Amino acid sequence: DVKVTQSSRYLVKRTGEKVFLECVQDMDHENMFWYRQDPGLGLRLIYFSYDVKMKEKGDIPEGYSVSREKKERFSLILESASTNQTSMYLCASSHGDSGYGYTFGSGTRLTVV
Amino acid sequence: EDQVTQSPEALRLQEGESSSLNCSYTVSGLRGLFWYRQDPGKGPEFLFTLYSAGEEKEKERLKATLTKKESFLHITAPKPEDSATYLCAVQAYDYKLSFGAGTTVTVRA
Repeated sequence: DVKVTQSSRYLVKRTGEKVFLECVQDMDHENMFWYRQDPGLGLRLIYFSYDVKMKEKGDIPEGYSVSREKKERFSLILESASTNQTSMYLCASSHGDSGYGYTFGSGTRLTVV
Repeated sequence: EDQVTQSPEALRLQEGESSSLNCSYTVSGLRGLFWYRQDPGKGPEFLFTLYSAGEEKEKERLKATLTKKESFLHITAPKPEDSATYLCAVQAYDYKLSFGAGTTVTVRA
């Protein structure tokens, strides 16, 4: 069964901490994405990557960075966590020309206190 | 900028009561329109892809249709297990998906 695995389901961090969210996919997909999901706002794209060591800003990149050193792994970094970054974070991957859209992970519920 | 609007925000149905969800969109070059189902605490799960106006796809009690400006997800004779949030997304030629805020469907037995 193909998968996108996010390292943590629930995470509680303090304001100002550096936070790493890890995502691994086993489908050899070229494309990987990070979204955050908030009630009433839907899914908003933070960053995405079309290939190893490549990254592109999405719609809301401020306060975040990413790293993609290997094809299967895409990390989201909160440089200095703030309370307005409390959210559900979803990682997804896709093949370059996939008609199935994205395959999503189960999400990480991050709370910043 | 690509925009996706879903309505209604929430839908409460009695078991067996058919209804439709709406997804209206504006996109610069539609590559595909996607429907996902999301259960609480989980990531979205793929349902359908529609590529061109007039296309229809079916899966069990769900049927998705597409026009040039909107898509409908019809739920026929729903069961409690159809309760979920249904997400619509459009994909432009840069492969990015833009999502609507979703419609939360609750089906009572």
